[in-house]
Amino acid sequence: EADIYQTPRYLVIGTGKKITLECSQTMGHDKMYWYQQDPGMELHLIHYSYGVNSTEKGDLSSESTVSRIRTEHFPLTLESARPSHTSQYLCASGGRDAYEKLFFGSGTQLSVL
Amino acid sequence: KQEVTQIPAALSVPEGENLVLNCSFTDSAIYNLQWFRQDPGKGLTSLLLIQSSQREQTSGRLNASLDKSSGRSTLYIAASQPGDSATYLCAADTGGGNKLTFGTGTQLKVEL
Repeated sequence: EADIYQTPRYLVIGTGKKITLECSQTMGHDKMYWYQQDPGMELHLIHYSYGVNSTEKGDLSSESTVSRIRTEHFPLTLESARPSHTSQYLCASGGRDAYEKLFFGSGTQLSVL
Repeated sequence: KQEVTQIPAALSVPEGENLVLNCSFTDSAIYNLQWFRQDPGKGLTSLLLIQSSQREQTSGRLNASLDKSSGRSTLYIAASQPGDSATYLCAADTGGGNKLTFGTGTQLKVEL
């Protein structure tokens, strides 16, 4: 059973607000990822981390930022939310071996008004 | 750039039927190919992972095959059940490190 948690589950917020989406895992995984998914569309990688103090941008350009101060925690921040940021954000983690499965959180559905 | 395509986009079958979901990818230099299940409004659950050196993987009623040379993978579901209704996604790891490129999925509905 996967132990990866995302909060909040749903977030409705006004334009210009700063928001942080939380992601935590208790599996001791080094690798963590943030994906963005619009309805009916494929997931796109926006950020990833291979360990503490390591963060990289993914294939899809994003105005969000991430940090990895602790192994278990990988928060995503939007300094000034806009309606174009409305989407589902999915966090995932995986073990050190490239052949290990990824575990996903339940996602955060973000709506920016 | 890797592109992943899934056909069909949607599929409706009667309970008990065996079915095949298709996934194709443009860059055959993959580390692994993974199949996921996504229920409405939820995250993804990993079903099967096929390493680049493998041809297939099985888990219960699910069997996934991989043909790197032709850029194809299939997910076979035996004796489908209403509980199998979900969107099935395939994803290719091209760069290593489990940075996946996803297809848009096949939305499966199994009817009583």
